[in-house]
Amino acid sequence: DAGITQSPRHKVTETGTPVTLRCHQTENHRYMYWYRQDPGHGLRLIHYSYGVKDTDKGEVSDGYSVSRSKTEDFLLTLESATSSQTSVYFCATSRGPPDTEAFFGQGTRLTVV
Amino acid sequence: QKEVEQDPGPLSVPEGAIVSLNCTYSNSAFQYFMWYRQYSRKGPELLMYTYSSGNKEDGRFTAQVDKSSKYISLFIRDSQPSDSATYLCAPQMDSSYKLIFGSGTRLLVRP
Repeated sequence: DAGITQSPRHKVTETGTPVTLRCHQTENHRYMYWYRQDPGHGLRLIHYSYGVKDTDKGEVSDGYSVSRSKTEDFLLTLESATSSQTSVYFCATSRGPPDTEAFFGQGTRLTVV
Repeated sequence: QKEVEQDPGPLSVPEGAIVSLNCTYSNSAFQYFMWYRQYSRKGPELLMYTYSSGNKEDGRFTAQVDKSSKYISLFIRDSQPSDSATYLCAPQMDSSYKLIFGSGTRLLVRP
């Protein structure tokens, strides 16, 4: 296992509240990713990081922000949660090209009511 | 057009059947063709991959790539109930750190 820990594993929050999800890795992988997984859509990239303080947007980044102040931690923040952000969120890491294997965390199930 | 298309299923087969899972892709620059397996309420894990065209076999699993038609396949022989999972194809470029995944096909193997 690549040693990727997501916290919390489950969260229920109210519309309009801020939420932060944490991803912690122990493998010193350079690249980190946040995905959301929804029925019919598969894994969609929210944001990714290619180094400390280096981040970029994915295909569904609206309403989300990220930060990476240390190699091992990648935070995903929903500034003001909406019901459309109810989903399962996965963090992933990779060593980077040419190694293309991704290692995933166990996921965070977020419900916005 | 999505970069990778995958039938979501579900695909239900009896134990012992040969299973064929497929994806199509649009970017001819893809060189690595990964298959991930995701059990219910778990994160995906790499099952196997091939580089460029051709076949690769690993036990009961065979991955096949036809770059001329941009078609990726995963075959499972003698399928088992423990193979019940979602299978995601993931074509990648060897120079890119952007990880792309198909939407996944849910497979159910009935005892």
